[in-house]
Amino acid sequence: QVQLVESGGGVVQPGRSLRLSCAASGFTFSSYGMHWVRQAPGKGLEWVAVIWYDGSNKYYADSVKGRFTISRDNSKNTLYLQMNSLRAEDTAVYYCARDLPGVRSLDVWGKGTTVTVSS
Amino acid sequence: AIQMTQSPSSLSASVGDRVTITCRASQGIRNDLGWYQQKPGKAPKLLIYAASSLQSGVPSRFSGSGSGTDFTLTISSLQPEDFATYYCLQDYNYPHSFGQGTKLEIK
Repeated sequence: QVQLVESGGGVVQPGRSLRLSCAASGFTFSSYGMHWVRQAPGKGLEWVAVIWYDGSNKYYADSVKGRFTISRDNSKNTLYLQMNSLRAEDTAVYYCARDLPGVRSLDVWGKGTTVTVSS
Repeated sequence: AIQMTQSPSSLSASVGDRVTITCRASQGIRNDLGWYQQKPGKAPKLLIYAASSLQSGVPSRFSGSGSGTDFTLTISSLQPEDFATYYCLQDYNYPHSFGQGTKLEIK
């Protein structure tokens, strides 16, 4: 079945880096745009970044631009989020999600991985 | 960036009630809007895409309408499993942006 599984979360000190992964299965990963969305504890959803199906275009939320990098390896069916210069306000559950073809809504979501930025 | 204003922020209702949640965009977004349901500790679930199209597998009591700047999500007859938090998301341009959420609680 169609599935997304995030990994790589953990506790990290402010200013340090972390890389999240999202393993896709059950669909042709290389045909879909992919997103990262996050949710701080007790807060609403925040869109973070998108990468087109072939990696040709990437867009970011202003809050992470210049610090986070989205990438993908279509040969490994895996999406990544490289997070540098982490701040306390980056503490959140990070979800990866798939683009609904032709519409850009997010139709498949992973269960999320938790990132805690704390000294 | 486009701002999405969702209302109300919380809502108490009873099983069988009809409820409506509203989202307003700070500029026109055609019909490029989706509605998502999230239950505690779970990932969001897509309910409606392109403002009014029902996602596969979603019960027909959910419906969406609107275009331009004003959008609504309607649940025609609340069921116990519908008590959750609902979000709109504009996917008209980047950065995408969510509304702040509406928590639907049992009265």
